[in-house]
Formats: sequence, structure tokens, C-alpha cells
Amino acid sequence: EAQVTQNPRYLITVTGKKLTVTCSQNMNHEYMSWYRQDPGLGLRQIYYSMNVEVTDKGDVPEGYKVSRKEKRNFPLILESPSPNQTSLYFCASSLDMSTSSPLHFGNGTRLTVT
Amino acid sequence: AQSVTQPDIHITVSEGASLELRCNYSYGATPYLFWYVQSPGQGLQLLLKYFSGDTLVQGIKGFEAEFKRSQSSFNLRKPSVHWSDAAEYFCAVGRSNDYKLSFGAGTTVTVRA
Repeated sequence: EAQVTQNPRYLITVTGKKLTVTCSQNMNHEYMSWYRQDPGLGLRQIYYSMNVEVTDKGDVPEGYKVSRKEKRNFPLILESPSPNQTSLYFCASSLDMSTSSPLHFGNGTRLTVT
Repeated sequence: AQSVTQPDIHITVSEGASLELRCNYSYGATPYLFWYVQSPGQGLQLLLKYFSGDTLVQGIKGFEAEFKRSQSSFNLRKPSVHWSDAAEYFCAVGRSNDYKLSFGAGTTVTVRA
């Protein structure tokens, strides 16, 4: 089944403790992206990747890192999480970077930073 | 930069009644427009998209949307809602020359029996 898989689904952590949220897609998609969803703000893009070893900042990249060493994986790294990073995070992928390719979303990771 | 406004935060509709969700965008050129639906605990699923051509587009689950350039709108409609349509709906606008997508804040739809 074609899908985007995020892990974990739920994560509670403390301020400053490094964490990684994994994202994997099995559709051989070139484009991958991370979003955060906050009430009243919709989805805001954190980082995106056009292909292996090619990443770029989205609208809200501060406090986050990403890597794209393999085509299928695009982990999101929070080196020193803070409470304002408490949010619902979505990974998404699409065939290529053209806007005509629809995004396929994972089921989300709900992160709480205390 | 483009932006998207969904004026209605929450809409309640009776099962079997019609539904219309509003979306207004701001973008200088012809936009790429999308509607996504998010069911509880799930990721977003594409309902429909508009790039060019016929301004009335059909999507999945019986939804349609109409692009009105003069009003900078892309409203989503369904003639008769089902209880399973209860979800959050997001409008998104993209630029034609890259993959910069901007999402609206979302509209939550509640369906009452």
C-alpha cells in the first residue's frame, strides 16, 4: 500500500531533550516536506526536500533540522525542543516538485514539550 | 507571497443538507488551488484541485469547487452531506512556478443527525 509513515504518533518530552520524528514513504517520491499544524493557523511548512541531499527552509524552520540521505526517508530533528514546538506535525511527499503533483500526508505526530 | 483565508472556523450542517465552504486567496498570477480534508486522527487527503480550464472541478466523495477569478475565491460545495463528511477542511493555494503551498486555517464541519 502506498503510504507515508510517521513515527511516533504521540510523543511527550521535556525541554532541551533532543528528539527525532521519522518519516518514510514507499512511493519513490522525489519531494518531501514537513508541516506543523496549530489551531487557527492551518499548516505551516517547516522544511522541504526536492531530492536526496537537497533540502531548504520553509516558513517556520527555526529550531528544526532535517536530512535526506535516502530518497524514502526524511527525518525531522529537534535538537533542543521548547514548549512553543508543541504541535501536530505532518510529513508529506509528492512525485515531484511541481504544484500539479498532489501531496500525500502521513497520519501525524502529536508532540508535547513540557 | 500568496495567502489563503477561510472565513468560517466552524460550520454545523444537518445530514442531507447542502454544504458550502468558503475560500479566498491572494495571489498575483493564476494560482493552483486545492481542497484537502482531514478526518480525526488522520493526515490530509486531497479532495480536488484546480490548475486551469473548466472553472468547476469535481472531486472525490461528491465534492465540487468553483474557481471565480473575479472574486478570488475557490468555494467547496456538496449537495447532500453525509455523517462521514464531518472533518476539517483546508483550502490551499500554490504558485505555478514552484512548490510553495500556503494553507488556510481550516474549517471544521460538524454534521448533525
